[in-house]
Amino acid sequence: EIVLTQSPATLSLSPGQRATLSCRASQTVENYLAWYQQKPGQTPRLLIYDASNRATGVPARFSGSGSGTDFTLTISSVEPEDFAIYYCQQRPNWPPMYTFGQGTKLEVK
Amino acid sequence: QVTLRESGPALVKPTETLTLTCTFSGFSLITTGMCVTWIRQSPGKALEWLGLIDWDGDTYYSTSLQTRLTISRDTSKNQVVLTMTNMDPDDTATYFCARIENWKGFDFWGQGTLITVSS
Repeated sequence: EIVLTQSPATLSLSPGQRATLSCRASQTVENYLAWYQQKPGQTPRLLIYDASNRATGVPARFSGSGSGTDFTLTISSVEPEDFAIYYCQQRPNWPPMYTFGQGTKLEVK
Repeated sequence: QVTLRESGPALVKPTETLTLTCTFSGFSLITTGMCVTWIRQSPGKALEWLGLIDWDGDTYYSTSLQTRLTISRDTSKNQVVLTMTNMDPDDTATYFCARIENWKGFDFWGQGTLITVSS
């Protein structure tokens, strides 16, 4: 089973700063990597799929990059509503056996 | 408008079988590329993928839970059913269902239902 490791566990930033979140896979997942945002008490929200494609309605300040085993979610300028937990998720090409990372908490500095 | 809603018992006893229903609207599960998937989240913990059923009725399960899980569908009712056997207090979690379209991530989620396992 592929293991996803997210870093850092917690990222403390001020609004307006750039956020860089990392996700590393234990073996290649090609580009089958997604990112989700979850705020307290809310349902996860899909941000990025296939490593770099923004989901419908996601602001342009969110971008994803990477392939193979190393991936990055970047928030170009953090807004107050962006403080949340971010999860990466992968699926192998086939069969579709998904796994999630353990999450990165983006908190106010 | 795509919506999903989970329903089931809030409390189950250890060793019992959990049955949850995901009722959805706004899409058809027999459309090529459509899937419904189940995810859970223990209090304060990360998301855990459980399994999915696709447009052909094929199912895929988490390796660690596959012996306890069954996912089925009733396309006439727009429902997907998750059964999990031999429930344990460690299975206490919020259970979500979500849609997958053409493998582009889990784009629509239900609100989730909290299941507590306790005697």
